[in-house]
Amino acid sequence: KAGVTQTPRYLIKTRGQQVTLSCSPISGHRSVSWYQQTPGQGLQFLFEYFSETQRNKGNFPGRFSGRQFSNSRSEMNVSTLELGDSALYLCASRDPGGANVLTFGAGSRLTVL
Amino acid sequence: SQQGEEDPQALSIQEGENATMNCSYKTSINNLQWYRQNSGRGLVHLILIRSNEREKHSGRLRVTLDTSKKSSSLLITASRAADTASYFCATVPNTGGFKTIFGAGTRLFVKA
Repeated sequence: KAGVTQTPRYLIKTRGQQVTLSCSPISGHRSVSWYQQTPGQGLQFLFEYFSETQRNKGNFPGRFSGRQFSNSRSEMNVSTLELGDSALYLCASRDPGGANVLTFGAGSRLTVL
Repeated sequence: SQQGEEDPQALSIQEGENATMNCSYKTSINNLQWYRQNSGRGLVHLILIRSNEREKHSGRLRVTLDTSKKSSSLLITASRAADTASYFCATVPNTGGFKTIFGAGTRLFVKA
C-alpha cells in the first residue's frame, strides 16, 4: 500500500509570505502528526489531527496552523514566514493498531529567504 | 523540552564493529521506539519495546529498556556502511494524549 505522501518536497519563500504544506496519510490511517525538524532544535512536535479534529498541539506560535479533511489528508499552514521557519517539515500517520508507531513521509524542505 | 536525550550525539566506527546508542526519558511510558533517518529524509520505524519488556531483538538490532532508570539502549551489531544515519528514540508519555516525543538523535557514521 502507498506510504505517506508530502507535497511539495522543496520550496523557497521570502519573509512575510505564507506557505501551505500537504500530507496524505497511509490509506486507512486517520491520525496525522506534523513535526518541524531543524539542526538546532531537532524534531519538534507541531500538532496531531484525528478524524478532522486537532487532538494535540505543540508549543508553536499561532502562525502555525493545520487542518484535516474528511479523507484524512492534512494541510499545515505557516503565515508571516520568518527566517527561523526554515526547516524540514515532516508528516506522519499513526498506525491505528494502538502501539503509536508512526510512518513518516519524505518531508517538505522549506527555505525562507 | 525534549522527552528523550540521547548519547552520544555522534558516533564514528568501522564496518563490522558494534554501535551502541543510549536514550534517557523523563516520564512514564507505554512503550519506547527507535527510528532511523537517512540524511534529509523521513524517519523509518525500526523497533518497539513495551514498558513490561526488558530486551528485544530484530535482526542485527538489540534494544534494552530499564524503566527504573528511564533509559534505553540500541545496539547495532556487525555494522555496515549502509547503517550510516541518524537514530532517534521516541516515547509517548503515559499521561494521555498522542504526542510522540523524539530525542535529539545520535548520528552514526560507519566507515567502509
